[in-house]
Amino acid sequence: GEEVAQTPKHLVRGEGQKAKLYCAPIKGHSYVFWYQQVLKNEFKFLISFQNENVFDETGMPKERFSAKCLPNSPCSLEIQATKLEDSAVYFCASSQPSGRGKNIQYFGAGTRLSVL
Amino acid sequence: SQQGEEDPQALSIQEGENATMNCSYKTSINNLQWYRQNSGRGLVHLILIRSNEREKHSGRLRVTLDTSKKSSSLLITASRAADTASYFCATAARSGGGADGLTFGKGTHLIIQP
Repeated sequence: GEEVAQTPKHLVRGEGQKAKLYCAPIKGHSYVFWYQQVLKNEFKFLISFQNENVFDETGMPKERFSAKCLPNSPCSLEIQATKLEDSAVYFCASSQPSGRGKNIQYFGAGTRLSVL
Repeated sequence: SQQGEEDPQALSIQEGENATMNCSYKTSINNLQWYRQNSGRGLVHLILIRSNEREKHSGRLRVTLDTSKKSSSLLITASRAADTASYFCATAARSGGGADGLTFGKGTHLIIQP
C-alpha cells in the first residue's frame, strides 16, 4: 500500500490482559519501526526491523513486549500482561532501503491503547 | 535521557508571521529531521538535514544545523492556520543506517491565530 496501515485504531484492555497491535508497512519498504507516545508528547523508540530481522531492540521493555515482522504478514507488537503505564499511542513507521529517502520514516496513524 | 529538546514548548503567533522553533541534541548524529503532528494523527516528515549541511530550504520551511552547538532551528515563514500542529525534531544515530531508530525531542506546539 501507499501508506502505513495500523490496526486497530483504538484498543481497550483490562490490566493484565494481552494486547496485540498490527502494522502493514508501505510496499517496498524494508525497514519497520515501532514507537510509543505517551501523553501527546515524548516519542520513545521501541524496536526496528530490517525485513523480518530485528535490527535494534534497545528500546523494548524486556519482559512483556515482543514484536515480529514475518513475510507476507502484517508486523505485530504484542504486550503481555498489560499495565496501566502501557497506556499510550503506539506508532508504526516504515522506510525504504536505499535512495535519497532512505532515512525518512513514514508513520501510520497510530493505535491508542487504553489499559483500565 | 531525551536526546532532543525543543524550545519553546508552545508558541502562539498571528497568521502571516514567521515561526521559529529550536532543537538541541546531545550525541553525534548522521542527520536531523523535523516532523509535524496534527492533533490525533501520526507524524509527517517535513525536512531532513545531514550532518555536513548547514542550511536547507523547502517551500516555506528553512532549517539550520549547527553541529558544533548541537542545535537546529526550524523557521516557518508566512504562517497559515493550517500550520497549527506540534513540531518535533528527531535525530538518527551516527551510523546512518536505514534502520536506525529516531530519537525525538519533546516538541513545540504551534498555534496560528487567524
